[in-house]
Amino acid sequence: SAVISQKPSRDICQRGTSLTIQCQVDSQVTMMFWYRQQPGQSLTLIATANQGSEATYESGFVIDKFPISRPNLTFSTLTVSNMSPEDSSIYLCSGGMNTEAFFGQGTRLTVV
Amino acid sequence: SQQGEEDPQALSIQEGENATMNCSYKTSINNLQWYRQNSGRGLVHLILIRSNEREKHSGRLRVTLDTSKKSSSLLITASRAADTASYFCATDIPGEKLVFGKGMKLTVNP
Repeated sequence: SAVISQKPSRDICQRGTSLTIQCQVDSQVTMMFWYRQQPGQSLTLIATANQGSEATYESGFVIDKFPISRPNLTFSTLTVSNMSPEDSSIYLCSGGMNTEAFFGQGTRLTVV
Repeated sequence: SQQGEEDPQALSIQEGENATMNCSYKTSINNLQWYRQNSGRGLVHLILIRSNEREKHSGRLRVTLDTSKKSSSLLITASRAADTASYFCATDIPGEKLVFGKGMKLTVNP
């Protein structure tokens, strides 16, 4: 199994600013993902974080808005750029080993 | 992309009762997984059932899979207040990432 630490756990940000969320895994995982979850909704995959190369984004998500880094197999960051109230959500980091996904505790973002 | 659909969307039961949640999906899968999420926190993996399996047990959890009907069920026996959470099914589709359903909110009343 893997333990995923995500920070910050929550933040309140002003519109127009950016927030970087960090995700640290205690062991090497093959895949790392970033999700967004609106209140009471399912998880929407933002992108797959690729080690040492550009992330692979899902439809509706772009690098300029959600730049992602993954410098090694155990660490990744997601930046939410130029935030607006519509970006208020829970952001979740996930690491995959074989077929099982492990999740961080999430970052609850409120944009005012 | 395909998305599992949990049914019912919300369930409220008394402690000690059994809770059954269903998940339907649309295309062939490698496996189907169930996750639990407590109050907007991260998801916790509960159980995985492969496409060639029909039933699996883990503690108080029992999962069934019917690939002909493209459906799965999660049974929680002898529920506890601590089982109160949202439950998600996720399908592992060949060539794609995990796709999560909309989730089902279970409330277990003490």
